[in-house]
Amino acid sequence: KQEVTQIPAALSVPEGENLVLNCSFTDSAIYNLQWFRQDPGKGLTSLLLIQSSQREQTSGRLNASLDKSSGRSTLYIAASQPGDSATYLCAAPTGANSKLTFGKGITLSVRP
Amino acid sequence: DTAVSQTPKYLVTQMGNDKSIKCEQNLGHDTMYWYKQDSKKFLKIMFSYNNKELIINETVPNRFSPKSPDKAHLNLHINSLELGDSAVYFCASSQTPQGGYTFGSGTRLTVV
Repeated sequence: KQEVTQIPAALSVPEGENLVLNCSFTDSAIYNLQWFRQDPGKGLTSLLLIQSSQREQTSGRLNASLDKSSGRSTLYIAASQPGDSATYLCAAPTGANSKLTFGKGITLSVRP
Repeated sequence: DTAVSQTPKYLVTQMGNDKSIKCEQNLGHDTMYWYKQDSKKFLKIMFSYNNKELIINETVPNRFSPKSPDKAHLNLHINSLELGDSAVYFCASSQTPQGGYTFGSGTRLTVV
């Protein structure tokens, strides 16, 4: 059974700081790993999707890496802004029916 | 031109009632899902359909019944609503069970 862990549950940083959000998973037989952003009271917005054959993906100030052998993924946010404040979730599909298992998310607060 | 749309966005109803939530995607994806986000913000899969065929049915009370009339639609019907059913329900889709997911904006269900 896949378990996805995100620690810490919450993070507060000053504006402009570069930061790394961590995600770990127990079953390395994943097809891909996806990072999402959720704003309060809103749905999930896909940020980056890393296929199992890839090591990283980049979009603007975001960079996500994937290390299947160690069961880890990181989301790097460069030059953080108050608008980056949200909950960030990672998720990975595993198993015959590729059930997507989510971590509990990291709630990020970027202080002006 | 919303990719995954759910209706209604908010639903307030009394215990014991029967209600339905509708979901439609215009991405041409073959796989659709229902997820439940509880009060602690944890996302957990409920059902998944691939080409109108049920492929994932988690431990969900049988008061919950999904219906997929075609690949673009996946509706969720809930009978005899209980207080504990209050949550945000998200619909999602992916090209294949192993593909990246696109989520709807959620339906906030409140049972009083």
